[in-house]
Amino acid sequence: GAVVSQHPSRVICKSGTSVKIECRSLDFQATTMFWYRQFPKQSLMLMATSNEGSKATYEQGVEKDKFLINHASLTLSTLTVTSAHPEDSSFYICSARVGEENGYTFGSGTRLTVV
Amino acid sequence: DAKTTQPTSMDCAEGRAANLPCNHSTISGNEYVYWYRQIHSQGPQYIIHGLKNNETNEMASLIITEDRKSSTLILPHATLRDTAVYYCIVRVGNTGNQFYFGTGTSLTVIP
Repeated sequence: GAVVSQHPSRVICKSGTSVKIECRSLDFQATTMFWYRQFPKQSLMLMATSNEGSKATYEQGVEKDKFLINHASLTLSTLTVTSAHPEDSSFYICSARVGEENGYTFGSGTRLTVV
Repeated sequence: DAKTTQPTSMDCAEGRAANLPCNHSTISGNEYVYWYRQIHSQGPQYIIHGLKNNETNEMASLIITEDRKSSTLILPHATLRDTAVYYCIVRVGNTGNQFYFGTGTSLTVIP
């Protein structure tokens, strides 16, 4: 089946630095990918829709200048958390749509800890 | 925003069927119902989806009411590895692409 690979699985960074998270579709092309954030004991919150070759679409309340999304190819989308702060510590998950009716395949997630 | 409501938590005895309900009373005629589950600290895993008819695969069965306002996910023989948060999702969004997650049901399978 379709696989989405997310890297890194865990990252610890210092406050004020930037962190890049990669999301790759391994055996299919994904013109659209999605980025979610999940805080402990909460549900997944959609942050943005990543579109290949064009600007990402951000959900209301998500700072586009802080969470930079690049979708430069049909198999790779990246999320960069800029000037990270402890409150950005969270579980970040990407997904890609597989087919017209089919569901979405999710990456395994990235645990970001900002210290 | 999510268009579904689910019970917050449920318990199920190992080996018994787990029946997880979901209400989606505002579902549109062309919207599918998807079920995913998330085991702690992992990405969500696809289980099953349907439009109108009941569906069954190797993991579960999906029963959708005739008016499509609710559905039930059935895990026929729950095991301890089925302990997870189960999300019922109706595909929404301006382009019909986005998945918005509700609060889900935390299922605990008890030995």
